[in-house]
Amino acid sequence: GAVVSQHPSWVICKSGTSVKIECRSLDFQATTMFWYRQFPKQSLMLMATSNEGSKATYEQGVEKDKFLINHASLTLSTLTVTSAHPEDSSFYICSARSFGGDRENYGYTFGSGTRLTVV
Amino acid sequence: QKEVEQNSGPLSVPEGAIASLNCTYSDRGSQSFFWYRQYSGKSPELIMFIYSNGDKEDGRFTAQLNKASQYVSLLIRDSQPSDSATYLCAASGAGSYQLTFGKGTKLSVIP
Repeated sequence: GAVVSQHPSWVICKSGTSVKIECRSLDFQATTMFWYRQFPKQSLMLMATSNEGSKATYEQGVEKDKFLINHASLTLSTLTVTSAHPEDSSFYICSARSFGGDRENYGYTFGSGTRLTVV
Repeated sequence: QKEVEQNSGPLSVPEGAIASLNCTYSDRGSQSFFWYRQYSGKSPELIMFIYSNGDKEDGRFTAQLNKASQYVSLLIRDSQPSDSATYLCAASGAGSYQLTFGKGTKLSVIP
């Protein structure tokens, strides 16, 4: 089945620094990737949708200058949290969707998530 | 605004019983519906998806969709303690690949 690899699985950084999270589709081409954020005991909140080779579409209330998304290839999308602050501490999860793939196996595969703690 | 509603639970069932999880959605244009299981501290894993009215069975899991009532459910037969997790219902809309998630139902299977 489809596999999405997300790294790092956890990261601790100092307030004011930037953190990059990578999401790779290992065995399929992901034309569309989604980035979610999840706070404790809450559901997934979609932050942005990225399509390969074009700018990401951000959800209302998500600062595009703070959460930089790059989807430069069909297998890699990155999320960079710039000038991180403690309130950015959360569980960040990517999800990939392939185009033209087997709908049974390739729809909406999630990465393993990145737990970010800003101190 | 597209919404997916779930009872937050917790839903407690004894081991071996049937667990029934329910979900309603507001957007009549929603086309596909997904059930994900999420263990604490982990990312969601897909259990099933359904896009046609009726039932879809996969092992111990059965998804049911009623588009007229805008209702989706997931039945888990012979519930096991390892099924204890939060179950997320999600819907994708017409012309959009975005998923709208419910807040999840926490299921506890009591040995």
